[in-house]
Order: sequence, then C-alpha cells, then structure tokens
Amino acid sequence: GAGVSQSPSNKVTEKGKDVELRCDPISGHTALYWYRQRLGQGLEFLIYFQGNSAPDKSGLPSDRFSAERTGESVSTLTIQRTQQEDSAVYLCASSRSTYTGELFFGEGSRLTVL
Amino acid sequence: AQTVTQSQPEMSVQEAETVTLSCTYDTSESDYYLFWYKQPPSRQMILVIRQEAYKQQNATENRFSVNFQKAAKSFSLKISDSQLGDAAMYFCAYRGSNYKLTFGKGTLLTVNP
Repeated sequence: GAGVSQSPSNKVTEKGKDVELRCDPISGHTALYWYRQRLGQGLEFLIYFQGNSAPDKSGLPSDRFSAERTGESVSTLTIQRTQQEDSAVYLCASSRSTYTGELFFGEGSRLTVL
Repeated sequence: AQTVTQSQPEMSVQEAETVTLSCTYDTSESDYYLFWYKQPPSRQMILVIRQEAYKQQNATENRFSVNFQKAAKSFSLKISDSQLGDAAMYFCAYRGSNYKLTFGKGTLLTVNP
C-alpha cells in the first residue's frame, strides 16, 4: 500500500482480555518495527523484524507480549491478559531495510485498558 | 546503550521567526544515523531530516536544517520562517549498529500567530 496501515485505530478492552494489533507495512519493506508510546512520552522500542525473523525482541515488556510477522508483510502484536499499564499508543513502522534507517510510521493503535 | 536527550520539553516561537531545538546523544560508535521526526496531533510520525555521521556537511531540507557536532555529540534542529503547521512534537532519534531507533522524550513546539 501507499503507507503503513494499522488496525484497529482505537481499542478499548477490559483488564485481563487479550488484544491483537495489526500492521500492514509499505509493500516491499523488509524491516518492520513496533514501538509503544505512553501518553506524553517518547517512543519505547518493542521489537523489530527483518523479513519474518525477529533479531531483536529485547523491548517486549513481559511474556504477555508477543509478535509475529508472516509473508514478509503483515505483523500482529498480541497482548495477553491486558493490564491497565498496557494502555498506550502502539506504533508500527517499516523501512526498506534495517540498513537504511529511515522509518515510515503508521498512525498507531490507541489501546485503552479499563 | 545509546541514549538520546532532549532537554527542552516545550518551546514556542512566533510565526515567521526561527527556533532551534536541542538534542544530545551518547554513543561509543563512530558510524550511525541521526533523525528528527515530527509528530502532529494526528499521531503519525513524519521524518523531517536525517544526518549520516560520516558526513561533515549539515543536512538541510527547505526551512529545516541541522547543526551536527559529532565531537560534542550534539544534533540540533533549526526551523526557519516558522509556520503554524510546524506546531507538533519533535523527536530526535539515533540509529546505530543495532538497527533500532532510539528516541528522545520529545520537544513540544508551539507556533504563535
């Protein structure tokens, strides 16, 4: 597609439920990144993919968080047993490769855990 | 680990004036990239400008330019002829050999008419 697409745009869930956030990168972009942005804060790295592999998942906050990527395209970020501290905007970005360094971002998925 | 520091949580500028946003970073690497991203209220991060560390010449993009001081590990953004549409949160970011971008906490820029 023309840009990075994320869905849902907004998600409200109850504490303890599982959520899935989806990212469609720009076509042909081999690298894909997930970041978390809490209200009024900077971006916190979660994980990145090169192709379908995740060389660096060091930013995932706990084992409740997981991510996968298939077909060198779509990625899903799954949060199990959501907690209130998971409330944030989850941003996805893609780039032509990890070497270029220039990331193109989606508009994010705002997650609110009640 | 690399860190990026933006010491100005908020800045304001009059329309048509010039403003400079500060950024410093800490790294032991010699080859890396630096970026300024803009995040308007719409939430989408937009690349403003990038700088390769091996290039001595400061990057410019129209009204946006940087002052890159490698020895001082400083990377400031200058916005000339500020426009109302420049109002946004600005993030400085570093990318080194580990390929992930490390961001500062951001500077909220207000442009006054």
